Amino acid sequence: GDSVTQMEGPVTLSEEAFLTINCTYTATGYPSLFWYVQYPGEGLQLLLKATKADDKGSNKGFEATYRKETTSFHLEKGSVQVSDSAVYFCALSDSSGANSKLTFGKGITLSVRP
Amino acid sequence: EPEVTQTPSHQVTQMGQEVILRCVPISNHLYFYWYRQILGQKVEFLVSFYNNEISEKSEIFDDQFSVERPDGSNFTLKIRSTKLEDSAMYFCASRPGQSATNEKLFFGSGTQLSVL
Repeated sequence: GDSVTQMEGPVTLSEEAFLTINCTYTATGYPSLFWYVQYPGEGLQLLLKATKADDKGSNKGFEATYRKETTSFHLEKGSVQVSDSAVYFCALSDSSGANSKLTFGKGITLSVRP
Repeated sequence: EPEVTQTPSHQVTQMGQEVILRCVPISNHLYFYWYRQILGQKVEFLVSFYNNEISEKSEIFDDQFSVERPDGSNFTLKIRSTKLEDSAMYFCASRPGQSATNEKLFFGSGTQLSVL
């Protein structure tokens, strides 16, 4: 079945550091890929998405490129802020069904120090 | 921005007791979901609900679980006889249903269920 693997956390960075969070997936067909973020005390929110190979999703300075050849969707940001401290989830959606069911990774906690 | 609301934020119960987790999806949404995350593990799909019936469920969603939309605004998850391994964070989600795939899900902040 479909699966998503995220790098182990947590991750602690200083403000303005470069961020990479790795995500790889296994899926049949052509899934859509997502990054969701959960800030403290809030629900998961869509951060960005990509629906086909070589698409780049971007939002709030974060980027991720859908790499079919390496089955990856790594999240990057050039300069993190304290306000980026949150839990980040990589996910995929099977494009063959109408249900938009998401398959998630474990999530990784990012803490940014001032 | 409209929100999915979940109550309570924390629920503690004794093993074998019934619990009902409550969710109020965004008002014009048509598709509803429950997910859960056991501590340290992945967020797992439990069930999806559309047009007043279950559209898909996972292997986790056995006879101990049920969902209901009793009044057109609430969407509940019931666990009939809780087990220790049901302890998890339970997330409710909804989406408008205007496109078949790739549509953004809106999540609630979760209910942390602890079974003692």
